[in-house]
Amino acid sequence: DVKVTQSSRYLVKRTGEKVFLECVQDMDHENMFWYRQDPGLGLRLIYFSYDVKMKEKGDIPEGYSVSREKKERFSLILESASTNQTSMYLCASSFSKLAGGFADTQYFGPGTRLTVL
Amino acid sequence: SQKIEQNSEALNIQEGKTATLTCNYTNYSPAYLQWYRQDPGRGPVFLLLIRENEKEKRKERLKVTFDTTLKQSLFHITASQPADSATYLCALENYGGSQGNLIFGKGTKLSVKP
Repeated sequence: DVKVTQSSRYLVKRTGEKVFLECVQDMDHENMFWYRQDPGLGLRLIYFSYDVKMKEKGDIPEGYSVSREKKERFSLILESASTNQTSMYLCASSFSKLAGGFADTQYFGPGTRLTVL
Repeated sequence: SQKIEQNSEALNIQEGKTATLTCNYTNYSPAYLQWYRQDPGRGPVFLLLIRENEKEKRKERLKVTFDTTLKQSLFHITASQPADSATYLCALENYGGSQGNLIFGKGTKLSVKP
């Protein structure tokens, strides 16, 4: 079974702190994703990566950065945490495109509930 | 840009009945559509994928239909049980985005009462 793990289930930080959220997958997937999920807004894509050292902005990248130094690991960084970044953060991974070139099934981690005070 | 809508935020049904959830999309028709289940405080879990040339797909008590004319997918759970209570998300390719990029609906929260 595919396993996606996230470094913390719950995290409490203070405004202005630098925050690192780590995600590791064990299935040699090319693609990795970071989402945040808020009530009424659904899943929103922050950043994604389709290869080591490659990254692309999603729909809401402001205030975030990412790092992918190894294929299995994708980190989300909040350079200076703010209260409006309090949210559930979900990491996901997938193989590269299916034959025919379309989005593949995504496998999600358990999520990190981040609270910024 | 592509938009995806799940018509109901919440659906309450009685145990044993069939739950039917709706997913509509605008603009282009995707090559396939996916359904996920999400339990509170957990990440979504993939359930089913249906391709555009498949009218219907089944997995145990789950059935998904895909109507490219109506631009709609229906997700059915037959003989529903309280354990089926969860939020169900539909997803399709964010066309024009980079590879592997899905767009998700906001989900329908299903509650099955004993």
